[in-house]
Amino acid sequence: KAGVTQTPRYLIKTRGQQVTLSCSPISGHRSVSWYQQTPGQGLQFLFEYFSETQRNKGNFPGRFSGRQFSNSRSEMNVSTLELGDSALYLCASSQDPRNTEAFFGQGTRLTVV
Amino acid sequence: LAKTTQPISMDSYEGQEVNITCSHNNIATNDYITWYQQFPSQGPRFIIQGYKTKVTNEVASLFIPADRKSSTLSLPRVSLSDTAVYYCLVGEDYGQNFVFGPGTRLSVLP
Repeated sequence: KAGVTQTPRYLIKTRGQQVTLSCSPISGHRSVSWYQQTPGQGLQFLFEYFSETQRNKGNFPGRFSGRQFSNSRSEMNVSTLELGDSALYLCASSQDPRNTEAFFGQGTRLTVV
Repeated sequence: LAKTTQPISMDSYEGQEVNITCSHNNIATNDYITWYQQFPSQGPRFIIQGYKTKVTNEVASLFIPADRKSSTLSLPRVSLSDTAVYYCLVGEDYGQNFVFGPGTRLSVLP
């Protein structure tokens, strides 16, 4: 059974650009969440989706957005990139929102220059 | 979501048992306790989850006293590959908006 797949693995963008990251959950998992990890702030929750609906959102500015498709795949978008957005972005999936055993992907390492 | 407190770092030697304690004084009635392990540049990996008393699986045990204000993750006979950051999370079994603290950085020495 394939794990959570995140693409791309690495990305370099320029300040002011936008970026879209993709997450394919484990087959059969319908809940997807996103996290940002930086050395200074640690792991921070971005948002959670279930059945194409955003259920929870973390304390991030509106430049961070996401969506989930009918096949449970999810994307997150960051517009007007800032240097501080450089981080490891992690996606996690679980069978349903009430299951706290989440499976994380390898992450996308975003570098903003 | 209940706030958790863990030691920032711990050192151990190969073959020893390691116990990492997490304090969660304001845990709520419906909250579960979940532990994750993270290696550098990888996503966290679920280790174990419990509600009360003791839970054991193939990699760890979780001890939760009756008042549930703390919990202890026990790793039997650690190896070098157990060097990682361990996170204790407390929350209701309602979703994945986990609040990760700084975790405990475990270093296993030869």
